[in-house]
Amino acid sequence: GAGVSQTPSNKVTEKGKYVELRCDPISGHTALYWYRQSLGQGPEFLIYFQGTGAADDSGLPNDRFFAVRPEGSVSTLKIQRTERGDSAVYLCASSLAGDGRNEQFFGPGTRLTVL
Amino acid sequence: GNSVTQMEGPVTLSEEAFLTINCTYTATGYPSLFWYVQYPGEGLQLLLKATKADDKGSNKGFEATYRKETTSFHLEKGSVQVSDSAVYFCALSTGSARQLTFGSGTQLTVLP
Repeated sequence: GAGVSQTPSNKVTEKGKYVELRCDPISGHTALYWYRQSLGQGPEFLIYFQGTGAADDSGLPNDRFFAVRPEGSVSTLKIQRTERGDSAVYLCASSLAGDGRNEQFFGPGTRLTVL
Repeated sequence: GNSVTQMEGPVTLSEEAFLTINCTYTATGYPSLFWYVQYPGEGLQLLLKATKADDKGSNKGFEATYRKETTSFHLEKGSVQVSDSAVYFCALSTGSARQLTFGSGTQLTVLP
């Protein structure tokens, strides 16, 4: 498919466990974003990649959260020592260039539930 | 910092009614403004955008005008349909903060 894909679609884990969430952006899109959406809220920014590097990680809530994009395409969001408050839908988006004016295309999200 | 304040929902309308969803913003710098829509069971998708003052974004009968003087980007549609039932998010981005800053969303339900 031509859109942004995310895996898994659902992830249930226990408090304290480690999880990885994957994002496949649209081919050729250099900018990649991660957001987190809690129930009844708008998405909140976590981290932005331009190519392989994290251009802005100011939205990561603490050092349990980390993301990589080693080859400038697929990205993985990693959460260590998960807490119940981490439960949310994690959204990935990509855009042709990260200039703030280009449309961001969103994936379907990964629903994370921490028990 | 950047923020978006959006009309609280839920909003329930009858088919063919007029829709307005209010959105105001604060931004450091000169923002681009967006409306995104999330249909039931689907991902977020761009509905319309405007990148400079007085621009009007339009799509699928929806319109919004970038009003710099009132820092607003209200979404309007003259005649809503049942298929417009969704959650609508107002958002902005700036050159210095390229991520989107979203409002809290407005749930719209259109009844036949």
